[in-house]
Amino acid sequence: DGGITQSPKYLFRKEGQNVTLSCEQNLNHDAMYWYRQDPGQGLRLIYYSQIVNDFQKGDIAEGYSVSREKKESFPLTVTSAQKNPTAFYLCASSIGLTGGTEAFFGQGTRLTVV
Amino acid sequence: ILNVEQSPQSLHVQEGDSTNFTCSFPSSNFYALHWYRWETAKSPEALFVMTLNGDEKKKGRISATLNTKEGYSYLYIKGSQPEDSATYLCALKNSNSGYALNFGKGTSLLVTP
Repeated sequence: DGGITQSPKYLFRKEGQNVTLSCEQNLNHDAMYWYRQDPGQGLRLIYYSQIVNDFQKGDIAEGYSVSREKKESFPLTVTSAQKNPTAFYLCASSIGLTGGTEAFFGQGTRLTVV
Repeated sequence: ILNVEQSPQSLHVQEGDSTNFTCSFPSSNFYALHWYRWETAKSPEALFVMTLNGDEKKKGRISATLNTKEGYSYLYIKGSQPEDSATYLCALKNSNSGYALNFGKGTSLLVTP
């Protein structure tokens, strides 16, 4: 089945450690996105990518890094510089940034830093 | 940061009631407005993608309208059912944000029998 896979579903890390969240899609979509959700907040944009080897900072990119070496994959690294990394992270993709098409979402990764 | 506002924050209705939510957004450089439904323990799913001022879209008992000149969209649910219980998100695309989707905080709907 076509879709977006995020792994793992739950992730625990010690404070000060970097951690990488996986996002893979087999929808042949060019655009991919990372969002973060905190209690009482909406989905806030961390990074997005329009095409392979290109990505742009979103509203809350500080403390995060991404890569887009393959069309199917857009991993997000939460670095030790991120002040409050504990959150729910959602990955999404769409055919492109422009065009009237919807985004498709993964199941999310809940990261807890202790 | 684009200011996408949704109201109300939460809503509790009885089965059979009709209800509506509002999404407000900056009208400048508008490109598209999306509505998503997010049920607990699932991924958000698209309901509507709207691009033209005056657009009206319908899917079953759910419909949406769009006013790009004044910067708002309404989502209507006719005859709410318990399975409509979810968080409803609107998201804006415009050129100011590089056409990435910018979401509001959502409206949480609970429909009780």
